Amino acid sequence: DADVTQTPRNRITKTGKRIMLECSQTKGHDRMYWYRQDPGLGLRLIYYSFDVKDINKGEISDGYSVSRQAQAKFSLSLESAIPNQTALYFCATSDSGAGSTEAFFGQGTRLTVV
Amino acid sequence: AQSVTQLGSHVSVSEGALVLLRCNYSSSVPPYLFWYVQYPNQGLQLLLKYTSAATLVKGINGFEAEFKKSETSFHLTKPSAHMSDAAEYFCAVSEGQAGTALIFGKGTTLSVSS
Repeated sequence: DADVTQTPRNRITKTGKRIMLECSQTKGHDRMYWYRQDPGLGLRLIYYSFDVKDINKGEISDGYSVSRQAQAKFSLSLESAIPNQTALYFCATSDSGAGSTEAFFGQGTRLTVV
Repeated sequence: AQSVTQLGSHVSVSEGALVLLRCNYSSSVPPYLFWYVQYPNQGLQLLLKYTSAATLVKGINGFEAEFKKSETSFHLTKPSAHMSDAAEYFCAVSEGQAGTALIFGKGTTLSVSS
């Protein structure tokens, strides 16, 4: 089983709908992240959480919200989806130990908003 | 805040030729630097990382990178390209011991021709 699991893997939704992307991890890491990938733009940070009670905005948080339900679970919500939120979304985790910070990624969720 | 610039969105080489992918970073504190690879329709896989130890870092699949503080660079090289190296490569930075979230460059697509 994958260490970082994202569900669903693919989703098509309509403009204005609320949608939640889920991420769970078995690595025991305390830090979790959501990124979106667009062609030519690389990966951009949406939100990140360094522990269950810590939520931080990334560079492109507008239109998104997150919930850290447990150390192992971090979900991303689009309250009212719009077409320019069509992208590939990645969840990642990392450990807080000194000398680490390497991020481990899920397989991604391809979201299409029509 | 830290940032990453990858020079060249697309690099093409012949099989057996040297691969050089360029990355320059900006960070107000000693950085941790990473190279990730993404094969088509897959997630991101860590190639190598620099975390303030040896400046020449060796990674998987014959890749290596050298941290040059004076040039604020962390270029990725491989002496001899293989067809299987065709992928997208991302450079990323975090603020070292502060353990901030990874910030990614826009990526470089490597094409390898026979």
